[in-house]
Amino acid sequence: DTEVTQTPKHLVMGMTNKKSLKCEQHMGHRAMYWYKQKAKKPPELMFVYSYEKLSINESVPSRFSPECPNSSLLNLHLHALQPEDSALYLCASSQAGQGNQPQHFGDGTRLSIL
Amino acid sequence: TQLLEQSPQFLSIQEGENLTVYCNSSSVFSSLQWYRQEPGEGPVLLVTVVTGGEVKKLKRLTFQFGDARKDSSLHITAAQPGDTGLYLCAGEAGNQFYFGTGTSLTVIP
Repeated sequence: DTEVTQTPKHLVMGMTNKKSLKCEQHMGHRAMYWYKQKAKKPPELMFVYSYEKLSINESVPSRFSPECPNSSLLNLHLHALQPEDSALYLCASSQAGQGNQPQHFGDGTRLSIL
Repeated sequence: TQLLEQSPQFLSIQEGENLTVYCNSSSVFSSLQWYRQEPGEGPVLLVTVVTGGEVKKLKRLTFQFGDARKDSSLHITAAQPGDTGLYLCAGEAGNQFYFGTGTSLTVIP
């Protein structure tokens, strides 16, 4: 079992819907990440939070809105998504920012946009 | 342009065969990590290599970090169907964290 928990595991939504992805970790990590992953491709970094502050936004469209309510929780709010946004969305955490610290991943949310 | 290039991109082999996956870059990395991602799951850290020339073993998996810390390899001996998955190298260079391009391995029983 992974120590990073993501909910829901699967999500199907229409292009006009609003939904949120949730991620939780209790390892005391102060860096949390959102990645987007297409099949058999490496994860693509979307956002990085360090000490609950957004430190990296990799030019992600505004229809994706991250939120870090506290050091254990990370949300990704979705609105007006496009079919090409269908992918596996992975959350990860690490001890302190990017760098040499290994990242611990959740099992992802499989998102399908109709 | 990907900073970490992996080869091969896809690999399909019979159970019992040996294989090597390569992770190459023109940049120097302070360390490199290897992850394995099985279908329906997130990537799981296998190993971190830190010192140039370092060799680490994890059961049938052998990881090597190049002397110049620009490349790494993963060798699997006597592959088993449970080794099937996406193998990713990753590391930090210039304050940025990069994933490799990935190697999708299928081991056929």
